[in-house]
Amino acid sequence: LAKTTQPISMDSYEGQEVNITCSHNNIATNDYITWYQQFPSQGPRFIIQGYKTKVTNEVASLFIPADRKSSTLSLPRVSLSDTAVYYCLVGEGQGAQKLVFGQGTRLTINP
Amino acid sequence: GAVVSQHPSRVICKSGTSVKIECRSLDFQATTMFWYRQFPKQSLMLMATSNEGSKATYEQGVEKDKFLINHASLTLSTLTVTSAHPEDSSFYICSAVPGLGGYTFGSGTRLTVV
Repeated sequence: LAKTTQPISMDSYEGQEVNITCSHNNIATNDYITWYQQFPSQGPRFIIQGYKTKVTNEVASLFIPADRKSSTLSLPRVSLSDTAVYYCLVGEGQGAQKLVFGQGTRLTINP
Repeated sequence: GAVVSQHPSRVICKSGTSVKIECRSLDFQATTMFWYRQFPKQSLMLMATSNEGSKATYEQGVEKDKFLINHASLTLSTLTVTSAHPEDSSFYICSAVPGLGGYTFGSGTRLTVV
């Protein structure tokens, strides 16, 4: 399983765009990149998944360069409720394989 | 969307007793479920992989006799913490794969052993 590296913490302000970068140098050909959000005392929640280039949904965008050795989660116009821990995981996108969580990024949004 | 229901959300038990945590997939079948443990301010740590109709696969360092996993149906996996002690106090989370896309996680169970 590819290991991921993220910043331990980030701070931003309401209304700003936040970009969280994840490094995954050993990503395999079949691996997808998935991001999860976790609030205190709750299970992680799926945010977005991608394989290459750019993926966008109603809550975030995921940018993946051609070499796929890193990815960036972009949260547009954050609010206080986006304060959470964000995890980047790499693994096969289909089928049930175990997920190994890294340390995650603790994002704090200030007023 | 796919939902994984976890119960109870909180439990307090006395040292030496056993506690059972249930994880149900509500609108899909899950032949495989995963159990995680999370200590305060730390990341999720995978404990075991629960397989329907067969024995669970435990991660290195996880005591299989202490953390009993049963996956008797395609929608239910249970984790029993046997002879619980204060050091077992933690946040336990299950997850399953509903299909394409990411995993779905339960809401977690806060176990406090006193």
